[in-house]
Amino acid sequence: EPEVTQTPSHQVTQMGQEVILRCVPISNHLYFYWYRQILGQKVEFLVSFYNNEISEKSEIFDDQFSVERPDGSNFTLKIRSTKLEDSAMYFCASSVMGGRTDTQYFGPGTRLTVL
Amino acid sequence: QKEVEQDPGPLSVPEGAIVSLNCTYSNSAFQYFMWYRQYSRKGPELLMYTYSSGNKEDGRFTAQVDKSSKYISLFIRDSQPSDSATYLCAMSATKTSYDKVIFGPGTSLSVIP
Repeated sequence: EPEVTQTPSHQVTQMGQEVILRCVPISNHLYFYWYRQILGQKVEFLVSFYNNEISEKSEIFDDQFSVERPDGSNFTLKIRSTKLEDSAMYFCASSVMGGRTDTQYFGPGTRLTVL
Repeated sequence: QKEVEQDPGPLSVPEGAIVSLNCTYSNSAFQYFMWYRQYSRKGPELLMYTYSSGNKEDGRFTAQVDKSSKYISLFIRDSQPSDSATYLCAMSATKTSYDKVIFGPGTSLSVIP
């Protein structure tokens, strides 16, 4: 069964450094998302992306964040200057419009630790 | 009032019990309702989805939506130790998949052998 994959599984970085989290969505999916989950808290929407554009973003997704689909398979989340409070699990998700299940499938997540 | 509320538990039941998990919500625009299961340090895994009100059954799982009460439920019959996880209700305002999903905080379930 196709699945969303994410790399790395765990990223440790120093405060102020840039990180790029990578995702490979399910191949026939057209919509892509990033969510985050701070330890012990709920999953929160960050951004949705379609047709090489951001469709919607939350208040969390400020100028420090950016997303990109650099090629036909990868979808990345960049945090330019990480802060301690960026430490969280980051989940990528994808969905297909018009499919039998118009819903989002999540990857296993990348645990980001900012020191 | 929070947009989506869910009793965080933990909920502990003996193997074979019927489990009832519930969420309430405040946004009447929500039409698309989902239940995800999340194992520790893993991504959410879709269990059930329903559109608008009504019931949906899939094996041991039944999802119910009552839009008039802004209340959704997930029932698990013949619960198994492998059902031990955090269950997240989730919803979105439109049927199209580009809309962001709003998650509840999750209910932690333990099924004791």
